[in-house]
Amino acid sequence: EPEVTQTPSHQVTQMGQEVILRCVPISNHLYFYWYRQILGQKVEFLVSFYNNEISEKSEIFDDQFSVERPDGSNFTLKIRSTKLEDSAMYFCASSEGTGPQETQYFGPGTRLLVL
Amino acid sequence: AQSVTQLGSHVSVSEGALVLLRCNYSSSVPPYLFWYVQYPNQGLQLLLKYTSAATLVKGINGFEAEFKKSETSFHLTKPSAHMSDAAEYFCAASNTGFQKLVFGTGTRLLVSP
Repeated sequence: EPEVTQTPSHQVTQMGQEVILRCVPISNHLYFYWYRQILGQKVEFLVSFYNNEISEKSEIFDDQFSVERPDGSNFTLKIRSTKLEDSAMYFCASSEGTGPQETQYFGPGTRLLVL
Repeated sequence: AQSVTQLGSHVSVSEGALVLLRCNYSSSVPPYLFWYVQYPNQGLQLLLKYTSAATLVKGINGFEAEFKKSETSFHLTKPSAHMSDAAEYFCAASNTGFQKLVFGTGTRLLVSP
């Protein structure tokens, strides 16, 4: 069964460093998402992406964050200068179509620790 | 703004007992509702979803959920728990005009022999 994959599974970085989290969505999906979960808190929406553009973003997704689809298979989340509060589990998701009824398929997550 | 509340961060049941995980949403317009399960070291897997076609929704692994507009609830049930059901369960909602899912805090289901 097709699945969303994410690399790395864990990343440790120093505060102020740039990190890139990578995702490979399901191959025929056109809509891509990033969510994060700070330890002990809710899973929060960060951004959605379609046709090489951001289609929706939350207030969390500030200028420190960017997303990109550099090729036909990868979808990346870049944090330009990491802060301690960026430590979280980051989930990538994809869906075949758009709309609130569409199922979003999630990857296993990347656990980011900022020291 | 849409919010989702899951009562109980942990629920413990014995194997063979009824599983009931609670989810309430806040919205004057009934949203689309989802239950996801997360097993250790895995991604969120869809159990079932409500898209207004039927109020009783059957999902995978014997789970089902009933949408009750009057109670703004979408509780997840399973008649008989198995050890393999031990996982974290997330309720989520989405609304027309938005792509994002709004999640509850999650409920960890513990199943004892």
